[in-house]
Amino acid sequence: LAKTTQPISMDSYEGQEVNITCSHNNIATNDYITWYQQFPSQGPRFIIQGYKTKVTNEVASLFIPADRKSSTLSLPRVSLSDTAVYYCLVGQGGRGSTLGRLYFGRGTQLTVWP
Amino acid sequence: GAVVSQHPSRVICKSGTSVKIECRSLDFQATTMFWYRQFPKQSLMLMATSNEGSKATYEQGVEKDKFLINHASLTLSTLTVTSAHPEDSSFYICSARSTEAGRQLFFGSGTQLSVL
Repeated sequence: LAKTTQPISMDSYEGQEVNITCSHNNIATNDYITWYQQFPSQGPRFIIQGYKTKVTNEVASLFIPADRKSSTLSLPRVSLSDTAVYYCLVGQGGRGSTLGRLYFGRGTQLTVWP
Repeated sequence: GAVVSQHPSRVICKSGTSVKIECRSLDFQATTMFWYRQFPKQSLMLMATSNEGSKATYEQGVEKDKFLINHASLTLSTLTVTSAHPEDSSFYICSARSTEAGRQLFFGSGTQLSVL
């Protein structure tokens, strides 16, 4: 299973764009990249998922280079409420697949300051 | 989006007793659910994969007789911590995958177990 490496912590100020990069050198051909957000004493919340190139939704963008050995989560104009731990996960999950075991790395503690 | 309900949110029990945690997929069917545990300031650790109608698959190092998993229906999986001890105190989280929603996993809100 592909292991992921992220910065342990990051700091930002309100209104700034935050980019969190995750390394996954051993990603397999059929692995997807998924990012989750977790607040203290809560379950993780899905942010975004992608396979290659760029994916954008209403809360974030995900950039994946051609070799797929890394990915970058981009949070535009963060606010105080974005202070949380962000996890990058790599694993299989195609539609209809019975697989789906995802292993969490250490995550990145993002702290947004006023 | 899909909702996964987990109960109770918090439980305190005496050492030696058993505690059952429920995980329900409210608006979708989940043939597979996953159980995680999380210690303070640490990441989530996958404990086991719960398969509807069959035995759970446990990760290496997780005692199957200690953490009993039952997935009797397509919307309910339960985790029973048997003969709980203080070292079992942790935050337990379940997740389920909705094939209708594509590839994402939906997580419950977690259960904080405190064993006295």
